[in-house]
Amino acid sequence: DAKTTQPPSMDCAEGRAANLPCNHSTISGNEYVYWYRQIHSQGPQYIIHGLKNNETNEMASLIITEDRKSSTLILPHATLRDTAVYYCIVRRFFGGGGADGLTFGKGTHLIIQP
Amino acid sequence: NAGVTQTPKFRVLKTGQSMTLLCAQDMNHEYMYWYRQDPGMGLRLIHYSVGEGTTAKGEVPDGYNVSRLKKQNFLLGLESAAPSQTSVYFCASSPPSSGGMDEQFFGPGTRLTVL
Repeated sequence: DAKTTQPPSMDCAEGRAANLPCNHSTISGNEYVYWYRQIHSQGPQYIIHGLKNNETNEMASLIITEDRKSSTLILPHATLRDTAVYYCIVRRFFGGGGADGLTFGKGTHLIIQP
Repeated sequence: NAGVTQTPKFRVLKTGQSMTLLCAQDMNHEYMYWYRQDPGMGLRLIHYSVGEGTTAKGEVPDGYNVSRLKKQNFLLGLESAAPSQTSVYFCASSPPSSGGMDEQFFGPGTRLTVL
């Protein structure tokens, strides 16, 4: 799986959009970008994933550059409960035949300021 | 629907003791995983299972054994605990990937200290 690079920490004011960048310059054509987050001491939680197109769900938006070498996770209206470590993970799609685990880096510690 | 549960939540062992961590899921998921997380680090995969009766090694399997006798349960064993195994252990499960969707559901974790 391709390696990812994220800033170690970021601050964002409550109510503003939080934009978390991720570089994955060695991503290959069959690899997806996934985002998970881990709120203090809890198990990680899936947020969103994408291949080429931008994606949006009830939690966040994912913007992937045209060359797919980087992406940005956007939390549109950050709240204090969004304070967490956010992990960007690049992983190939296994189809129905099997799967192995996720490779977590150190992620970005996002702190939402009141 | 409890999702993924882990037993126990906390445990303190002495060096050389053995123990088993239990992970249970009620979502009928095929795949299950054990990870460990050390302070300030991301999660690292220990072992995983793609179905009942099958297991495979992950990134850091040494010192651990696993079993998947029932689809809903995944056991992680430490035969002779060492201080280096002090960590937080997370279990996860997932259904077979579909359309790129590959969401893993994580349990609340087990905090293990080996003295």
